[in-house]
Amino acid sequence: AQSVTQPDIHITVSEGASLELRCNYSYGATPYLFWYVQSPGQGLQLLLKYFSGDTLVQGIKGFEAEFKRSQSSFNLRKPSVHWSDAAEYFCAVGSNNDMRFGAGTRLTVKP
Amino acid sequence: KAGVTQTPRYLIKTRGQQVTLSCSPISGHRSVSWYQQTPGQGLQFLFEYFSETQRNKGNFPGRFSGRQFSNSRSEMNVSTLELGDSALYLCASSMATGGWGYNEQFFGPGTRLTVL
Repeated sequence: AQSVTQPDIHITVSEGASLELRCNYSYGATPYLFWYVQSPGQGLQLLLKYFSGDTLVQGIKGFEAEFKRSQSSFNLRKPSVHWSDAAEYFCAVGSNNDMRFGAGTRLTVKP
Repeated sequence: KAGVTQTPRYLIKTRGQQVTLSCSPISGHRSVSWYQQTPGQGLQFLFEYFSETQRNKGNFPGRFSGRQFSNSRSEMNVSTLELGDSALYLCASSMATGGWGYNEQFFGPGTRLTVL
């Protein structure tokens, strides 16, 4: 069965610093990979997704993610974090009849 | 286009009661999924409906059930509530072209259920 691991429960970065959130997946075939963000009191919003093709994917709000098959990873990055990026981030892997979410990484942004 | 709406937004029930949550998907979306989110267990999949049929189901007891209507609106029911059912219940809709898990999920704001 497919699974997703987000090793970092909580990350704190300073505003303006770069960010990388880690995601590792387990899936037999080429996965469909997603990153979602959840702000307090809200549902999840899609940041970006990878299905095939270019392994560097651009998303909304200045985020990007890189698919590395050899490492079974799909890490999310942002060059310069803004205070409004404070939220919880979820990585997800999908297949024909399943979708699994990671446990989430909570991002705190220091002024 | 209006987003996914969920009603009610907040609910307080006592143990043993039952509850029904409602979800209206984005117009044109035929797939509706339900998730339970808790601090300890994270986001757990309950079930997915497509064209009024339950296509996929997570690992939850039979107390959790759902249905979908011909207009794609969906309801989720939890009977004999337990304290551990306190959670944020999220509904998501998608176009579901091809397999369900291949599609972007559009989430509603959730219903916060508290069981006392």
